[in-house]
Amino acid sequence: DGGITQSPKYLFRKEGQNVTLSCEQNLNHDAMYWYRQDPGQGLRLIYYSQIVNDFQKGDIAEGYSVSREKKESFPLTVTSAQKNPTAFYLCASSMGGSSGANVLTFGAGSRLTVL
Amino acid sequence: SQKIEQNSEALNIQEGKTATLTCNYTNYSPAYLQWYRQDPGRGPVFLLLIRENEKEKRKERLKVTFDTTLKQSLFHITASQPADSATYLCALVRDYKLSFGAGTTVTVRA
Repeated sequence: DGGITQSPKYLFRKEGQNVTLSCEQNLNHDAMYWYRQDPGQGLRLIYYSQIVNDFQKGDIAEGYSVSREKKESFPLTVTSAQKNPTAFYLCASSMGGSSGANVLTFGAGSRLTVL
Repeated sequence: SQKIEQNSEALNIQEGKTATLTCNYTNYSPAYLQWYRQDPGRGPVFLLLIRENEKEKRKERLKVTFDTTLKQSLFHITASQPADSATYLCALVRDYKLSFGAGTTVTVRA
C-alpha cells in the first residue's frame, strides 16, 4: 500500500540532545513537508522540499534541520537549539508543482516529549 | 498578517443532525480551500477541496461552500454518525503553500 511512514511514533529526549525523526514515502511524490502541531494551534510549517537535494525553510525553521538526499526520504532533526520541542510532528507529501490544489498526504505523526 | 479562524468551541451534536463548521480568514486570497479530518493521535486525512470560483462542492454526506466575498467556508456533515466524531481542519492554498486553521472538534452522540 502506498503511504507515508513516520518513525518513531513516540520519542523522549533529554534537554541538550538532538533527535532525528524519520519520514519515508512510497507515493512517488516530489514534494515533502514537515509540520508541527501544538494544542489549540493550526499546523505550522517547519521545512519543505520540492525536489531532491533542495529544501526551504517554513515559518518556524529555527532549531530544526532537514535533508533530502532521496526522493522517498525527508528526515527532520530537532536540535538542542529548539527551545520548546515538545510537540506532535507531522510529515506530509504531495505531487508538488508551483500551482494547483496541492493536496497533502500525511503520515501518522511522531510525538516528541522533552524530559 | 494572515489569520484563519475555525469554530472556537467544540461541536456536540445528536446523531442524525447536521454539523456545520466555519472557517473564516483575513488578509488572504486563497486559490483553493481544503478540508481535512484528523482523529486523535493520527495525521490529517484529506476530505474535500473547493476552488475560488466554485460556490459549493459535495461528496456523499459532506458539503462545502466557499464565499470569497465573506472570506468564509462552511463545512456541513449531514445525517451525522458517531463515526464522524473527529477534528476537522480547514487549509487555505495559494501558490501551492497551505495555511491551516486550528481545527474544530466534533462529537456526535448516539
